[in-house]
Order: sequence, then C-alpha cells, then structure tokens
Amino acid sequence: AQRVTQPEKLLSVFKGAPVELKCNYSYSGSPELFWYVQYSRQRLQLLLRHISRESIKGFTADLNKGETSFHLKKPFAQEEDSAMYYCALRVPGTYKYIFGTGTRLKVLA
Amino acid sequence: DTGVSQDPRHKITKRGQNVTFRCDPISEHNRLYWYRQTLGQGPEFLTYFQNEAQLEKSRLLSDRFSAERPKGSFSTLEIQRTEQGDSAMYLCASSLDETQYFGPGTRLLVL
Repeated sequence: AQRVTQPEKLLSVFKGAPVELKCNYSYSGSPELFWYVQYSRQRLQLLLRHISRESIKGFTADLNKGETSFHLKKPFAQEEDSAMYYCALRVPGTYKYIFGTGTRLKVLA
Repeated sequence: DTGVSQDPRHKITKRGQNVTFRCDPISEHNRLYWYRQTLGQGPEFLTYFQNEAQLEKSRLLSDRFSAERPKGSFSTLEIQRTEQGDSAMYLCASSLDETQYFGPGTRLLVL
C-alpha cells in the first residue's frame, strides 16, 4: 500500500540554522511528490512539487528514488518558516493524494 | 474571487443525525477534492470530482458518506447517521492542475 512517512512530529531549530524535514514514501513506481505548508491560522497551501524542481521561499526538495525519500531542505531557517509541513504523494494514473502526518517546524530566535 | 470557501465552518451535531457540508471552489477550477483530517494526522483523501463526475472515491468513504457536484461548480458532502468517529475537519480543495487550493475546512463535532 502507498504510504508517506514523516518521522518527526516536531522539529525545532534556531534562526539561521539549516533545516531538513524528512519524508519517505512507499510506492513501487514513480510517484508525484509535493510539500504542503500550513502557517498559523492559514489554509493549507502548496509549497513545492518535485516535478517543477524549483526553490520556493528558499526551500528545495530532491526526489531520491533509491532511498524513496523527498526531504525538504533550507540552508538558513527564518522565523517566518515556522509552520506545519506535510509531504504528499499522488499515485500516478489517479487523483488520489496521500499525505503524511506532518512535521511542525519551530524556528527559534 | 476569494478562494475556496466552505460552509459551515463549524458544526456540532448529535450522534445519528445527518449533516451536509458545502464547498464552493475557485470558479474556473474543474477539479474538486474532499479530505478528512483528524487531530495529529494529515489530510485523508475522500473523493475527487472532475467537473460533475465523481471519478475517485476512497474505500474509506463508507455508505454513510455521499458527495455530489451537480453542475460542476459547488459540491456537497453528506454524512448520514453520524458517529462520534466522524468528528474531524473536512477539507475541500480545488485545482486546474496539480496545485490544489484548500478551503478553510468545516470542523465537525459529533456528540
């Protein structure tokens, strides 16, 4: 069965420190992977997708098929990055999205 | 257009009652999704519409759950004979492509 695992419920880092939010998936083929973010009192919104290979707000994520991972990284965390981050997978050929349980990132001053 | 809207924002009901939620997507979006989110979990896919056609439905969606999108615009999600386990946030999202735009959600509490 397809599954997305985010092993950390909470990640605290100091401002200016590097950040890595882990995401592992289980799927035998080539899934589409996404990171969604939810800031305090805001709606869930797309941060980035692996297909676009772009950097949004300084965040990047690389799909590693060998390790079945899609970790989210940022070299220097900012306080405004504090939010809930969800990794999601779309099963190819379907419109079904599978979300992980999320990681709360707290960036400390 | 202010984005995806959902109504009501909160609903408290007694076990056994029926409830209906509405989602108004962004006007030109032909794709519409419903999710359920419980505390400490990520959104859980329930169903997907392309225009008025319901193309995917999670097997988690029991017979008590039904969703419609009659004219390819707004959608409704009905839960019949609610149970305490139905207490959750119900999220709607719409899209033109792979970028989903989420609504604020409807929080359901079943007593």
